[in-house]
Amino acid sequence: QQPVQSPQAVILREGEDAVINCSSSKALYSVHWYRQKHGEAPVFLMILLKGGEQKGHEKISASFNEKKQQSSLYLTASQLSYSGTYFCGTEGNQGGKLIFGQGTELSVKP
Amino acid sequence: NAGVTQTPKFQVLKTGQSMTLQCAQDMNHEYMSWYRQDPGMGLRLIHYSVGAGITDQGEVPNGYNVSRSTTEDFPLRLLSAAPSQTSVYFCASSLLGFGAEAFFGQGTRLTVV
Repeated sequence: QQPVQSPQAVILREGEDAVINCSSSKALYSVHWYRQKHGEAPVFLMILLKGGEQKGHEKISASFNEKKQQSSLYLTASQLSYSGTYFCGTEGNQGGKLIFGQGTELSVKP
Repeated sequence: NAGVTQTPKFQVLKTGQSMTLQCAQDMNHEYMSWYRQDPGMGLRLIHYSVGAGITDQGEVPNGYNVSRSTTEDFPLRLLSAAPSQTSVYFCASSLLGFGAEAFFGQGTRLTVV
């Protein structure tokens, strides 16, 4: 039931781009994306809803393929502040139940 | 505006002891959840609540109890702590059941020896 994220880890240089993928075996209502810095709580980035609506961060983009139950997070022109662990969370047909993937650790080097 | 508040921030328990992790939110959110975070495992849902008096199990509910008597509070009880429950615990709340941002507390780091 837990969505699967890939890659598990990625190392970038400042200014490079990255894509993080999230896939589920279940029909989804929405996909959430969060970022967590070491020792801190996860922080909301974006929600993608079934039907195409998106809510969230202006500088980070994402896509949601409803037929394949997959989402991708696009980080362009990465900055040092992008470093952290990124989690996707998925909602099915059960309200209030948000299930997270195992996370993708992103490191941006100068 | 405090948001989601968890107490304590750190706790060490002996095997077999019981304790309650506290979670309170002041945003009038109906939906609240407890997660545990272990290295390489991501955030795993323990229990969640869709309103006062209504709770349900998540992915890893064994060894944990919850109740929700008020909208604001959602305590997590460990009845008999085990070393396998050593983890970082996060409480989260959201306004809606679908498609709404989850707000997280700062976490409780629990060690069971």
